[in-house]
Amino acid sequence: AQSVTQLGSHVSVSEGALVLLRCNYSSSVPPYLFWYVQYPNQGLQLLLKYTSAATLVKGINGFEAEFKKSETSFHLTKPSAHMSDAAEYFCAVTQEEGTSYGKLTFGQGTILTVHP
Amino acid sequence: GAVVSQHPSRVICKSGTSVKIECRSLDFQATTMFWYRQFPKQSLMLMATSNEGSKATYEQGVEKDKFLINHASLTLSTLTVTSAHPEDSSFYICSAKLDWNQPQHFGDGTRLSIL
Repeated sequence: AQSVTQLGSHVSVSEGALVLLRCNYSSSVPPYLFWYVQYPNQGLQLLLKYTSAATLVKGINGFEAEFKKSETSFHLTKPSAHMSDAAEYFCAVTQEEGTSYGKLTFGQGTILTVHP
Repeated sequence: GAVVSQHPSRVICKSGTSVKIECRSLDFQATTMFWYRQFPKQSLMLMATSNEGSKATYEQGVEKDKFLINHASLTLSTLTVTSAHPEDSSFYICSAKLDWNQPQHFGDGTRLSIL
């Protein structure tokens, strides 16, 4: 079984401030973890992925995430927010093996608002 | 990068109509495609997993006779919502992946509105 919890359905930051979006996962086998971004009325765009290689993963648009097995976390960060970062962000997990293999389970999503 | 095209982007039709949504992988051959449903202000819920040349695997609670999935080629999967009713109104999103260790790439979604 696998699940994802995103803490905070809404996060608001000022332009230039640090962005931190939280994600905790549960998985019975080694996980693959992803962050996706969704703009209104669009599909999802992959920001970054963790697939059991380096624990600090760098993605597009200046985002990065760190896999912490001891904390079962995969938080998304960006040092300096830009207005164009305003969107909804989804953390997702899949498993390397087992019945959930290849299936993505999404968190509830976090809406990021960026203030001028 | 990998591109997934979904068509149409928006459909408005009367109750009882059947609606077909297409999902195409434009620059890669997708061994597996997925169909999701997203209600307003909610996350994506997996409806079914589709492998080329075989029957789709539906998630619990999803009616396979209501949501017909065909994956006839490595670049095309279709979802047909049969005899659609207002409660079927939603945002439907497909995704495709090249191989087992590759991420899913998503289409831009289809907004279905049943009157």
